[in-house]
Amino acid sequence: DGGITQSPKYLFRKEGQNVTLSCEQNLNHDAMYWYRQDPGQGLRLIYYSQIVNDFQKGDIAEGYSVSREKKESFPLTVTSAQKNPTAFYLCASSSGVGTEAFFGQGTRLTVV
Amino acid sequence: QQQVKQSPQSLIVQKGGISIINCAYENTAFDYFPWYQQFPGKGPALLIAIRPDVSEKKEGRFTISFNKSAKQFSLHIMDSQPGDSATYFCAASMRETSGSRLTFGEGTQLTVNP
Repeated sequence: DGGITQSPKYLFRKEGQNVTLSCEQNLNHDAMYWYRQDPGQGLRLIYYSQIVNDFQKGDIAEGYSVSREKKESFPLTVTSAQKNPTAFYLCASSSGVGTEAFFGQGTRLTVV
Repeated sequence: QQQVKQSPQSLIVQKGGISIINCAYENTAFDYFPWYQQFPGKGPALLIAIRPDVSEKKEGRFTISFNKSAKQFSLHIMDSQPGDSATYFCAASMRETSGSRLTFGEGTQLTVNP
């Protein structure tokens, strides 16, 4: 089955720790995205990548980092600099400009 | 920052009724306007999308109406069903030098009562 796989589904982080969220796609899409979703708010863009080895900051990139070493993978690291990391994180991919974005099932990150 | 404003925040409709969700945008360079449906604990999924060269698009019970001069677009769900209960997001994107990205509205939580 083609699609986007995010792991883990649930993640707990202690204060001061970095954690990495995984996102893998087998849709052969060039573009990949990371969004953050908080209750009662829309999806806010963290980072996006249009091509391997290149990525751009979104609207709320502070405290996050990404890499795009392979077309299929776009991991997101939530660093200790992110002061309020508890949220639902969504990864997406698309084949190009103005095309459907496919979303993964999300990772719910909780700081304990 | 490019913005897409969505209303209402929540909507309750009786089964068989019409659900209407509205969005407004500021940037006239936006050229792709999708609507996404999200169930609790799941990722959003594309419902229907429109480009600014048409004023209406219909797919089954779902219709997008687009008013380019007013910079507004809306989703109409005809014959609403309890299974339509979900959160709906409008979005917009445009071509940029760095590619494209979707800007989302705040979302509308729709409840369809049986």
